[in-house]
Amino acid sequence: DSGVTQTPKHLITATGQRVTLRCSPRSGDLSVYWYQQSLDQGLQFLIQYYNGEERAKGNILERFSAQQFPDLHSELNLSSLELGDSALYFCASSVAVGEPYNEQFFGPGTRLTVL
Amino acid sequence: GENVEQHPSTLSVQEGDSAVIKCTYSDSASNYFPWYKQELGKGPQLIIDIRSNVGEKKDQRIAVTLNKTAKHFSLHITETQPEDSAVYFCAASKNTGNQFYFGTGTSLTVIP
Repeated sequence: DSGVTQTPKHLITATGQRVTLRCSPRSGDLSVYWYQQSLDQGLQFLIQYYNGEERAKGNILERFSAQQFPDLHSELNLSSLELGDSALYFCASSVAVGEPYNEQFFGPGTRLTVL
Repeated sequence: GENVEQHPSTLSVQEGDSAVIKCTYSDSASNYFPWYKQELGKGPQLIIDIRSNVGEKKDQRIAVTLNKTAKHFSLHITETQPEDSAVYFCAASKNTGNQFYFGTGTSLTVIP
C-alpha cells in the first residue's frame, strides 16, 4: 500500500459525459501527478500540481482539467468523453519536487470505461 | 522532450535464472531513473531507482546500472521467483520538471 488513495476504483459511463476522478496523496506529500495508462500508449504523464499550483503539463487534452485543493487532494475532470478515453488513470504523489524528492508513489488507479 | 525506449517487451525465464531489462533515454539532462513493478490490477510500485551521480545500485536480488555516456540503464533481477512475474517499467526524469517519462513496459514471466 503506497498511501495514495484514488476513488472510484471503476467508472463506467457513456460518450459525451463528464466524470471526476479523485486522488488523496500520501500524508505530507505536496506534489500530485496524473498519468493515463492505455494499452497502446503506455503510461503517459498528464499534469502535475505542487502545493495547489499547476507545475507542469504533459499530454493532457483540452477536454481534461485538474486541480489541487488546499487539503492537497486532487481531482481530474474529464469531459465530452470519447471511446478512446477508456483507460486506467493513475495518481502519484511525491514529498516535493527536485532532488532528493524525486520518488513518486502511485495509487491503485481508476479504471474508466466509456461506452 | 524525453524519449524512453524499453526492451524487450516480453521476457520469459526459468525460475532461478536472471532477467535483464534495458532502457535508453534521449535527454542528457535526465538525472533520475526509477524502475516500477506493476502487478495485475494494481498501480506501479517503485522497486529501485538510481541517480545520475551513481553507476550501479543493488538491493538484494535487484540491481540497476546506468551508463550516462551511452544514455542507457538496465534492471537486473537474479535468482528469479514466480512472484517476480509482472510488468516492469523504466522511467526517466529531471529536476526541472519532475514528471516521469516511461518506457513501454516489459512483461516478465518466471516459469516455475
